[in-house]
Amino acid sequence: LAKTTQPISMDSYEGQEVNITCSHNNIATNDYITWYQQFPSQGPRFIIQGYKTKVTNEVASLFIPADRKSSTLSLPRVSLSDTAVYYCLVGPLYNQGGKLIFGQGTELSVKP
Amino acid sequence: DVKVTQSSRYLVKRTGEKVFLECVQDMDHENMFWYRQDPGLGLRLIYFSYDVKMKEKGDIPEGYSVSREKKERFSLILESASTNQTSMYLCASRGGLQSEQYFGPGTRLTVT
Repeated sequence: LAKTTQPISMDSYEGQEVNITCSHNNIATNDYITWYQQFPSQGPRFIIQGYKTKVTNEVASLFIPADRKSSTLSLPRVSLSDTAVYYCLVGPLYNQGGKLIFGQGTELSVKP
Repeated sequence: DVKVTQSSRYLVKRTGEKVFLECVQDMDHENMFWYRQDPGLGLRLIYFSYDVKMKEKGDIPEGYSVSREKKERFSLILESASTNQTSMYLCASRGGLQSEQYFGPGTRLTVT
């Protein structure tokens, strides 16, 4: 199973674009890349998922290069409420049980 | 909205006690998971279940067992609690044709 590496923490200011990069050198052909967000005292919440190139939704964008060995979560114009831990996960989409690996996550702090 | 509930938000138990953590989901999901979350280690998968009475070990099953007698309920059991099992325990569920996992609010267990 592919292991992921992310920065432990990042700081930003309100209104800035934040890019969090995740490294997954051993990603398998059938693995997808998924990002979750976790606020204190809550369970993680799904943000976005992709396989290759670029995926965008109302919350974020996900950029995946052709070799798929890394991915970048982009949060446009962050606000204080985006302060959270962001997890990058790599794993098969529909396998039984879904053996996803949560790394340490990136603690994003947004300042006024 | 998918709802995943956990029986307790906070629990304090003594070493050697048998501990039951209950999780219930209301979306008829086939897959259910138990994770523990510790500072600096992110989320780690303990056990998961892809059907009633079916279970598979995750990455750290030692000291734990699970029970899934009904589709909506997945229980985590600590047969003899130890202090190193003090942690935040998170339950999640996922539909068979979905990739997104829905998490409960977590149970913070302290073993003294």
